[in-house]
Amino acid sequence: DTEVTQTPKHLVMGMTNKKSLKCEQHMGHRAMYWYKQKAKKPPELMFVYSYEKLSINESVPSRFSPECPNSSLLNLHLHALQPEDSALYLCASSRGEVNEKLFFGSGTQLSVL
Amino acid sequence: GNSVTQMEGPVTLSEEAFLTINCTYTATGYPSLFWYVQYPGEGLQLLLKATKADDKGSNKGFEATYRKETTSFHLEKGSVQVSDSAVYFCALVLNRDDKIIFGKGTRLHILP
Repeated sequence: DTEVTQTPKHLVMGMTNKKSLKCEQHMGHRAMYWYKQKAKKPPELMFVYSYEKLSINESVPSRFSPECPNSSLLNLHLHALQPEDSALYLCASSRGEVNEKLFFGSGTQLSVL
Repeated sequence: GNSVTQMEGPVTLSEEAFLTINCTYTATGYPSLFWYVQYPGEGLQLLLKATKADDKGSNKGFEATYRKETTSFHLEKGSVQVSDSAVYFCALVLNRDDKIIFGKGTRLHILP
């Protein structure tokens, strides 16, 4: 299994909603990442978990809250988002050290109304 | 600071044409260099990488050579296919724990 699985694929939410994005990998990878990608732009790093501990937070607003319940799962909890937060949210993982070969999921396309 | 510069797109070619996508970098040390590809509706996939000067990365008919003297890592393919249509990102990592720095991406359209 060489996949990173993200759910849901599409999400529409209002500014007062609370929702969660989920990411799962069963490759035994110990580093997991959240990226945000706006249309026609490169991905922007949000968070990195290394061995289930948050190791990098790129000054992301608190309305985004990451969680790593175990080494296979990564969640991104969303609350009180703004329309400008609409984007493709990509999860990635790498085997051991941060920034070895990244394996990306297909992403969640988020629209905030 | 560290940065990656890619040629502006979109690049449109006919099938079987020769492809070059230029990438140059600025770095304070000796980075590892990568090409990632993003097909429509998907996440990024590592296409190839090189970790030191004069290394050549290759995969699926694509090649790129790490040129320290010109600080470049140009992506080439001898004969493109329609299925190569995608966005290509050049990227660097300086130290293992630093974040990956992506270029802006180059959109490639291959016409049948």
